[in-house]
Amino acid sequence: QKEVEQDPGPLSVPEGAIVSLNCTYSNSAFQYFMWYRQYSRKGPELLMYTYSSGNKEDGRFTAQVDKSSKYISLFIRDSQPSDSATYLCAMSARGGSNYKLTFGKGTLLTVNP
Amino acid sequence: KAGVTQTPRYLIKTRGQQVTLSCSPISGHRSVSWYQQTPGQGLQFLFEYFSETQRNKGNFPGRFSGRQFSNSRSEMNVSTLELGDSALYLCASSQRELSYNEQFFGPGTRLTVL
Repeated sequence: QKEVEQDPGPLSVPEGAIVSLNCTYSNSAFQYFMWYRQYSRKGPELLMYTYSSGNKEDGRFTAQVDKSSKYISLFIRDSQPSDSATYLCAMSARGGSNYKLTFGKGTLLTVNP
Repeated sequence: KAGVTQTPRYLIKTRGQQVTLSCSPISGHRSVSWYQQTPGQGLQFLFEYFSETQRNKGNFPGRFSGRQFSNSRSEMNVSTLELGDSALYLCASSQRELSYNEQFFGPGTRLTVL
């Protein structure tokens, strides 16, 4: 079992839809959870960062972490064509080699006008 | 403030050759991390350098090595290239070491091994 699992999609939605992106993980030591957005031919950019469990909201984006289920989500409200990109979840733990970031493989999202 | 820059952006090599990739971090950033991105394996951590010292290392063979200079610029070297080394190589910089929530990525170097 991979440490981080993410459905690669692709996911295609109409403009204005609510998008739900998810990752599951197996390492209970993970405490830091991140979502990145990567446009074609670009490097990833950090969207959301969450420590431990709970919700975090930033504009149209909401990140949720459920450590009991080892499940994280990213919700995008009122999706726009400019949100079309690959979304990567990433996580890390404290201490030693666990500090390295472990990524999901990414979900390709297309928002159609 | 200029972002992270990587050179070259594209590179074609043949099996057995070696390659050196360069990364210039954001001004004031002292940590540089390197990642490999492939369709099959996704984004995988290679190593992190801070103050010219390797601080953290992923699970890659010894053919992959790196270094950091006193101006924080970093280079990554891959020796004896294999077809499977074809990938997008990304570097990311941050002000502090092991500060992954504050990383900024460069555009990457696309390496093709023939």
